[in-house]
Amino acid sequence: SQKIEQNSEALNIQEGKTATLTCNYTNYSPAYLQWYRQDPGRGPVFLLLIRENEKEKRKERLKVTFDTTLKQSLFHITASQPADSATYLCALEGYSTLTFGKGTMLLVSP
Amino acid sequence: DTAVSQTPKYLVTQMGNDKSIKCEQNLGHDTMYWYKQDSKKFLKIMFSYNNKELIINETVPNRFSPKSPDKAHLNLHINSLELGDSAVYFCASSQDHLALPYEQYFGPGTRLTVT
Repeated sequence: SQKIEQNSEALNIQEGKTATLTCNYTNYSPAYLQWYRQDPGRGPVFLLLIRENEKEKRKERLKVTFDTTLKQSLFHITASQPADSATYLCALEGYSTLTFGKGTMLLVSP
Repeated sequence: DTAVSQTPKYLVTQMGNDKSIKCEQNLGHDTMYWYKQDSKKFLKIMFSYNNKELIINETVPNRFSPKSPDKAHLNLHINSLELGDSAVYFCASSQDHLALPYEQYFGPGTRLTVT
């Protein structure tokens, strides 16, 4: 069956460092992958989308890579700030919907 | 301007009751969704509607009945509430689900607590 794995343990880093979050999947061949941010008590917010034929996508301090051979996406936040603290979800497209991973909590300390 | 709104934000009710959650989007999107996020934070699709028609129904008990009076609204009615229904319910919308790729816009969520 299809499976999406994200680190269930929180990632703690210091302000100014680069945060790297991982999304692995099995039994999928998605045409694209999305990353969302979710703050406590709020709905997920779309951040970035990357297609299967793109190796890398950037938006300001965010960078996403997509390796369809490894079945893995990496999500990087450079020069991290305490305001980046949140849960980050990856999502893979399926027929008419997205399937979300459980998310990884990122905590950036000053 | 709120893009996707849900009411109520909090809902506390007793087992066996019937309740509804309302959702509205002002983005002009064709497709709307209901998700359930349980205590382990797992976000799972329940239903998807495109232009008022049901396109996805993911193994949800038939106590849950979505209704879409028009493409800007998707309501969720739950009959005979059970303890296991306690969760946060999110409404979302996107452009036509067939126009891949489609980022989704989420509402603020409704926290349902069944006692």
